[in-house]
Amino acid sequence: DQQVKQNSPSLSVQEGRISILNCDYTNSMFDYFLWYKKYPAEGPTFLISISSIKDKNEDGRFTVFLNKSAKHLSLHIVPSQPGDSAVYFCAATFYSGGGADGLTFGKGTHLIIQP
Amino acid sequence: DVKVTQSSRYLVKRTGEKVFLECVQDMDHENMFWYRQDPGLGLRLIYFSYDVKMKEKGDIPEGYSVSREKKERFSLILESASTNQTSMYLCASSLRPQRRGAQHFGDGTRLSIL
Repeated sequence: DQQVKQNSPSLSVQEGRISILNCDYTNSMFDYFLWYKKYPAEGPTFLISISSIKDKNEDGRFTVFLNKSAKHLSLHIVPSQPGDSAVYFCAATFYSGGGADGLTFGKGTHLIIQP
Repeated sequence: DVKVTQSSRYLVKRTGEKVFLECVQDMDHENMFWYRQDPGLGLRLIYFSYDVKMKEKGDIPEGYSVSREKKERFSLILESASTNQTSMYLCASSLRPQRRGAQHFGDGTRLSIL
């Protein structure tokens, strides 16, 4: 059962426009959400995160929105740049009481920025 | 700067072999993780460790084991490799208690089982 869903395998956006990547989750215990960016032949790099007590977090060109009632989050990139072309993974976790919390990832969305 | 190093970028092994994937981090992180990435499936957690000699099963531990003898090193072991274990393997580490979002990944080992 997939607990974190990214329903768009790919997304093509023109340079300078807004990119919106979507993510849905099913597990109500998730209380922290993250976006990772991955280039080919490299490991994922952390981009931005949001706690369930917030509905928005902003960092430069990147903004993540969380709608808890809909179990939905989105990543907005404005303006989109060619270097943003990558695979974006949505991930979620919850505090288990132990010392480490593994991440549950979505399948990823391949963002392509067109010149 | 944060560094997670996986010993091999590419590895080819035969069915039935015992395979070791090594991961070293230089950040003095307590937590370490092993994921595999497959097309159309994203990243899935295999095992993780929050301290030396401690280990916890992730979502897909079957066919794998791990070893954490030193804080900086976390090994993934395929006891008897099978073709369905052909995949990209990613190691990650983080502080404990885990600073939210701060899992740092290595560049991955692409493992092929023939």
